Amino acid sequence: DTEVTQTPKHLVMGMTNKKSLKCEQHMGHRAMYWYKQKAKKPPELMFVYSYEKLSINESVPSRFSPECPNSSLLNLHLHALQPEDSALYLCASSQGYVSSEQYFGPGTRLTVT
Amino acid sequence: DQQVKQNSPSLSVQEGRISILNCDYTNSMFDYFLWYKKYPAEGPTFLISISSIKDKNEDGRFTVFLNKSAKHLSLHIVPSQPGDSAVYFCAAILGLESNDYKLSFGAGTTVTVRA
Repeated sequence: DTEVTQTPKHLVMGMTNKKSLKCEQHMGHRAMYWYKQKAKKPPELMFVYSYEKLSINESVPSRFSPECPNSSLLNLHLHALQPEDSALYLCASSQGYVSSEQYFGPGTRLTVT
Repeated sequence: DQQVKQNSPSLSVQEGRISILNCDYTNSMFDYFLWYKKYPAEGPTFLISISSIKDKNEDGRFTVFLNKSAKHLSLHIVPSQPGDSAVYFCAAILGLESNDYKLSFGAGTTVTVRA
């Protein structure tokens, strides 16, 4: 199994809603990542988990809250988002800590209304 | 199946000289290419990008060249500085604004700039 899965594929939420994005991999990878990508822009790293511990937080607003319940799962909890947070949210994983090739999921396209 | 390949795992260059990093890809449908730079214990940071409709993009000391017929791109750093010592990742995007978006990274090239 060499796949990173993300659910949901699309999400529309209001600014007062609470929702979660989910990511799962069964490759035994020990590093997992959240990226945000706006249209026509490269992906921007948000968070990195290494061995289930948060190791990098790229100054992301607190309305985004990551969680790594176990080595295969990564969640991104969303609360009180703004319309400018609308973007494609990508999850990735890698065997080693950041330095090895990252496997990306298909992404969740989020629209905040 | 690895669609983006960086065949040189490492590169050593003298300070002030040019660093040339190479990247090959197999999918002719990629429509956007990026280079990321990564220092130890930090996440990768975006460096420079190029759309598939262009053949060159320049930003300061960094220039990316794209040869679509050869499915090859390269990153030139001139002049190389000690702070450029890092791992450089090539990445390619398929379906930039579609629901079939895919982003593929190469394995990375470790650049060491010697004083």
